[in-house]
Amino acid sequence: GQSLEQPSEVTAVEGAIVQINCTYQTSGFYGLSWYQQHDGGAPTFLSYNALDGLEETGRFSSFLSRSDSYGYLLLQELQMKDSASYFCALNSGGYQKVTFGIGTKLQVIP
Amino acid sequence: DTGVSQDPRHKITKRGQNVTFRCDPISEHNRLYWYRQTLGQGPEFLTYFQNEAQLEKSRLLSDRFSAERPKGSFSTLEIQRTEQGDSAMYLCASRQGEDEKLFFGSGTQLSVL
Repeated sequence: GQSLEQPSEVTAVEGAIVQINCTYQTSGFYGLSWYQQHDGGAPTFLSYNALDGLEETGRFSSFLSRSDSYGYLLLQELQMKDSASYFCALNSGGYQKVTFGIGTKLQVIP
Repeated sequence: DTGVSQDPRHKITKRGQNVTFRCDPISEHNRLYWYRQTLGQGPEFLTYFQNEAQLEKSRLLSDRFSAERPKGSFSTLEIQRTEQGDSAMYLCASRQGEDEKLFFGSGTQLSVL
C-alpha cells in the first residue's frame, strides 16, 4: 500500500521561510504533489514533482528525492493568507491512485 | 462555472437512512475520484473511475458504499444504512489523462444523527 508522513503542525512568522517535509512509502511511484486547503475550503493544487530536484512556482517550491522517498514544500515570504493545511499526495500504482497524507497545519503569526 | 460541482452541499440524515451524492466533473476530465475527509485529517481515498470503469475501491470501504459513473460523465456515491461514523465531508475530484492536477469540488458535508 501507500503511506505518507508529514508533521501535523508548523508555526512560522510572517515574511519568513518555512519547509514542510514529507516521507513516503509506495510501489509504482509516479509523482508527489502538494495541495493547500484553507479551513472550510476544498484542496487546491500547488505543485508536482515526478523527477528529482526542485520545482519553483512563485513563492512556493517543491523538492523531491526519489532515492530517499522524501520531498518537501518550501514557502517563502510567508503571508498571513498562507495559514492553511498543506497535504503531500502520492500519485502511484498501476491506476495512478492519488493518496493524501494527514496534512500539516501551518499557522503564520505576525 | 466550469469547475467540479457537487450536490448537495449539506446533507443531514437519520441513522439507517440511505443517502446519495452527485458529482459533475470538469467536462473533459476522464478520471474521477471520491474522497472522505474528517476534521483534522487528510482526504481518505474511497474510489476511482477512469471514464465509466471503476478501477479501484478502498479496501477499508464498507459494502454499504457504492459508486457509479454511467457514461463516464457525472458520478454518484450512495451510502446505505448510514451510521454516525459516516459523518464527514465527501469530496469529489477530477483530472484529465496524465495531467497531475486534481481539481476538487466543494464537497458534500454529511451529518448522520
